[in-house]
Amino acid sequence: DIVLTQTPLSSPVALGQPASISCRSSHSLVHSDGNTYLSWLQQRPGQPPRLLIYKISNRFSGVPDTFSGSGAGTDFTLKISRVEAEDVGVYYCMQATEFPWTFGQGTKVEIK
Amino acid sequence: QVRLVESGGGVVQPGRSLRLSCATSGFSLRNYGMHWVRQAPGKGLEWVAKISFGGAKKYYAESVKGRFTISRDITNNTLHLQMNSLRDEDMAVYYCARDFQGNWAIDYWGQGTLVIVSS
Repeated sequence: DIVLTQTPLSSPVALGQPASISCRSSHSLVHSDGNTYLSWLQQRPGQPPRLLIYKISNRFSGVPDTFSGSGAGTDFTLKISRVEAEDVGVYYCMQATEFPWTFGQGTKVEIK
Repeated sequence: QVRLVESGGGVVQPGRSLRLSCATSGFSLRNYGMHWVRQAPGKGLEWVAKISFGGAKKYYAESVKGRFTISRDITNNTLHLQMNSLRDEDMAVYYCARDFQGNWAIDYWGQGTLVIVSS
């Protein structure tokens, strides 16, 4: 199985400051069709996950442009340009390049 | 709008069975693949199973293969997860989720249903 390792596991950030989360894969996530199926999800406290970013850098409908994704191959990053109170939660990367689909262990973003 | 509502969770003894359901609305199951993803208490997300939009292909996590079966009822727009031979480690919130067709991601999630495995 592909293992996704996120760092840091916890990220205290002051309001209005940027945050960055890394996701490193044990194998290249480039699919045979040339696409890279790495997405990012947000899970607010007590809520189900919500899709933020798909295929590395595409923002899902309704996601603010303060969220951005980047990376290639085995190394990926989610950035929040200015953290707001509603951004508190756990962020997961997920790969769908091969079955079984797998998630990173999650990064908790909290307000400092 | 897209809506996914899970049901069927509860307390079950180890070794017994449980069937989860997910009522969908706002789209047709005929046109979308669907997933089950679970989250043990206080833990991260674990993908469990997927059924393709055509219904012919089914994929499972190794941890549930041979014990769980994903299926769908197109007429009633309902997704199911039949869980047999339940183990302590199957205890989790089970989320029904829609495949982001063509983009190999998951775009919509239900609120989840809690399965407690306990004697």
